[in-house]
Amino acid sequence: AQSVTQPDIHITVSEGASLELRCNYSYGATPYLFWYVQSPGQGLQLLLKYFSGDTLVQGIKGFEAEFKRSQSSFNLRKPSVHWSDAAEYFCAVAQYSSASKIIFGSGTRLSIRP
Amino acid sequence: KAGVTQTPRYLIKTRGQQVTLSCSPISGHRSVSWYQQTPGQGLQFLFEYFSETQRNKGNFPGRFSGRQFSNSRSEMNVSTLELGDSALYLCASSLDGENTEAFFGQGTRLTVV
Repeated sequence: AQSVTQPDIHITVSEGASLELRCNYSYGATPYLFWYVQSPGQGLQLLLKYFSGDTLVQGIKGFEAEFKRSQSSFNLRKPSVHWSDAAEYFCAVAQYSSASKIIFGSGTRLSIRP
Repeated sequence: KAGVTQTPRYLIKTRGQQVTLSCSPISGHRSVSWYQQTPGQGLQFLFEYFSETQRNKGNFPGRFSGRQFSNSRSEMNVSTLELGDSALYLCASSLDGENTEAFFGQGTRLTVV
């Protein structure tokens, strides 16, 4: 079955500290992998996506993610978080790069400690 | 350029009623997808429309339906509302083809009482 697992429901980090959000997936074919961010009361914004090529992907707002095929993981990282990074983060997989049939993880809520 | 616009932003309906939500995609985007977001089930794909035809469908009952117009604007309809239909409904648009990006609207918050 196709699925995405985000094991951390809620993470709190201090401003300026590094961040890693975990994501594992199960998918039959080679999928597109995504990370989205959702601020309260807002829609989803794409941070980055991966399909092939270099396994370290750079995204917007200073985020990056590393694809590890052997571990079926696609973890999101940021070297130094800012208070504005507080939001909900969703890992997702899909057969296409468009908006159709995206399978989302349950999300990780990120809080920033001043 | 203008983003994906969803109307209305908030809606309160009574159980048993029906509701229609609207989504205007980014200009030039012909693919529109709908998602339901609830605390219990998370984000779930409802359906995708492309060139006025439903191209993909998720696992939702027939009470959930949609359509797309020639200008790519899309509507989704939920009939015989249930309390469990209370959710944030998100619309996303994209160009077709490889290496495209999905752009999400801010959603419509539906509350069924």
